Amino acid sequence: GQQLNQSPQSMFIQEGEDVSMNCTSSSIFNTWLWYKQEPGEGPVLLIALYKAGELTSNGRLTAQFGITRKDSFLNISASIPSDVGIYFCAGQLRRAGGTSYGKLTFGQGTILTVHP
Amino acid sequence: DTEVTQTPKHLVMGMTNKKSLKCEQHMGHRAMYWYKQKAKKPPELMFVYSYEKLSINESVPSRFSPECPNSSLLNLHLHALQPEDSALYLCASSQMGRGSYEQYFGPGTRLTVT
Repeated sequence: GQQLNQSPQSMFIQEGEDVSMNCTSSSIFNTWLWYKQEPGEGPVLLIALYKAGELTSNGRLTAQFGITRKDSFLNISASIPSDVGIYFCAGQLRRAGGTSYGKLTFGQGTILTVHP
Repeated sequence: DTEVTQTPKHLVMGMTNKKSLKCEQHMGHRAMYWYKQKAKKPPELMFVYSYEKLSINESVPSRFSPECPNSSLLNLHLHALQPEDSALYLCASSQMGRGSYEQYFGPGTRLTVT
């Protein structure tokens, strides 16, 4: 099956620093999603990417869909304490007539800790 | 509004109990999902419903029984669970078609099996 490698596994940073994390896949996806999950809560969708090369921003967050369709990255600028949480990438490949619709392949997550 | 609600927030049940988890969305989404999530791990897909019909069952044990009474509601019936079934159970929903990639999650039900 498809595998997603997400790195780094964890990050400990100072408030105000920029953060970068990425996901790579052994095969192509035609959608990349980035989620954030805080303790005791469900994942919250941050950014959705649909086209190779697409660069999308959401406030201090910027994500890109890699040209090869096998990777994506998420950057957080000027981190603040409320950025703490686990960030998951998720990819989906929709095949015509196939059953892969609705199935997301998740990365293992990046645990972000921000020190004030 | 991208809200998916789940009840209860927490549930403790014995291995002989029968209980149900409930999920509701009012976004007009026609696809709904159940996921299981262990601590600090990614969500694992269990079931997918599209247009109120079960379309994907990820080889989930029969002690988990999903139900989709209408396009807004999704239930997960639990019976004779094992301690290893303790986890956060997440419901999600999405549109069909191109927008189906964007899945919106509820806050989850924290299940403890004793």
